[in-house]
Amino acid sequence: DAGVIQSPRHEVTEMGQEVTLRCKPISGHNSLFWYRQTMMRGLELLIYFNNNVPIDDSGMPEDRFSAKMPNASFSTLKIQPSEPRDSAVYFCASTSRYPNEKLFFGSGTQLSVL
Amino acid sequence: RKEVEQDPGPFNVPEGATVAFNCTYSNSASQSFFWYRQDCRKEPKLLMSVYSSGNEDGRFTAQLNRASQYISLLIRDSKLSDSATYLCVSRSGYNTDKLIFGTGTRLQVFP
Repeated sequence: DAGVIQSPRHEVTEMGQEVTLRCKPISGHNSLFWYRQTMMRGLELLIYFNNNVPIDDSGMPEDRFSAKMPNASFSTLKIQPSEPRDSAVYFCASTSRYPNEKLFFGSGTQLSVL
Repeated sequence: RKEVEQDPGPFNVPEGATVAFNCTYSNSASQSFFWYRQDCRKEPKLLMSVYSSGNEDGRFTAQLNRASQYISLLIRDSKLSDSATYLCVSRSGYNTDKLIFGTGTRLQVFP
């Protein structure tokens, strides 16, 4: 099993640019999560999907952030325009509730906005 | 107030020591609880689930106290390889997959 795959691993961009982060969940998992991690705030849930449908996006910071899951094997998180305070590690994770609730994380995307 | 709160540490302990972390949660509707481990610059990984009856896995013991709304993790006979950040996690309610993470407790085991 390839695990959750995220790309890119690192992204350095300038303020104002559009950033797109990508995620391929584990095949068969029906829930997908986007988290953001910073030293100050820890891991924050941004949005999660069940069966490709967004269920809770209350953690999305503002309208500059958007996420899509067009099919069961792909999701994107877009930031437009990006700002320096968006600099963080963005993790994608997937799970199937049954038989257990283990959340599998990707390796993360380290985003730096200059 | 954060939904899941942890002491950030660091906890610095010698090899062989026993160390315990606590975590409190504010949502009384939370149904499931977990401990995740995160190594530096790596993704979090599930360490163990926490059951009402307690859960033991080798040197690790997790306990849940619903009345006081806290979860604990006990590590016995600490190893250098236990050095990591330990994240407390709760699932907010029964019919939700929303998993809320604490900010983590850092453990450093020294020789």
